[in-house]
Amino acid sequence: KAGVTQTPRYLIKTRGQQVTLSCSPISGHRSVSWYQQTPGQGLQFLFEYFSETQRNKGNFPGRFSGRQFSNSRSEMNVSTLELGDSALYLCASSLSGGDGGSPLHFGNGTRLTVT
Amino acid sequence: EDQVTQSPEALRLQEGESSSLNCSYTVSGLRGLFWYRQDPGKGPEFLFTLYSAGEEKEKERLKATLTKKESFLHITAPKPEDSATYLCAVQVPYGGSQGNLIFGKGTKLSVKP
Repeated sequence: KAGVTQTPRYLIKTRGQQVTLSCSPISGHRSVSWYQQTPGQGLQFLFEYFSETQRNKGNFPGRFSGRQFSNSRSEMNVSTLELGDSALYLCASSLSGGDGGSPLHFGNGTRLTVT
Repeated sequence: EDQVTQSPEALRLQEGESSSLNCSYTVSGLRGLFWYRQDPGKGPEFLFTLYSAGEEKEKERLKATLTKKESFLHITAPKPEDSATYLCAVQVPYGGSQGNLIFGKGTKLSVKP
């Protein structure tokens, strides 16, 4: 069974630009979550989607947005990039998401560098 | 606010030297506790789920246990390939801005031959 696939693996952008990251979940998984990982803050929750609906959102500014398609694939978008947005962005899928008890399975992330 | 704390932050072991990693949590309503392994440049890899105090899970040289306030990941006779960052995450009732899965900052394990 194929795992969670994230594209691209690496991105270099300049301040003020916008970026779109893509995530394909494990087949059959309807929940997709996004996390930002930095050395100082660890893993921080961005948002969760289930059946194309955003179920939960973390404490990030409105520049961070996402969506989920009918095939469960998800994208996240960051507009007006800032230097502090440089991080590893991780996507994870699960069968039920939320507090359903099923584990999250992560992709290998997109490494975003903002210069 | 719900919190998950892992200790130590870093641990250096000699090959074959057994030890334990700690994950303590303060949450309102534990639904489950998850252990992950993360290698540099990769996403976290799922290891175990524990749901109730007293539960134990094993996989090769790793054994995870759970009490009402903390979990331990015991590593028996580690090998260099066990070197990684180990993350603990606690699942809580749905709806908070932290998300329903709250992560600790991890323990970086180095095993020297």
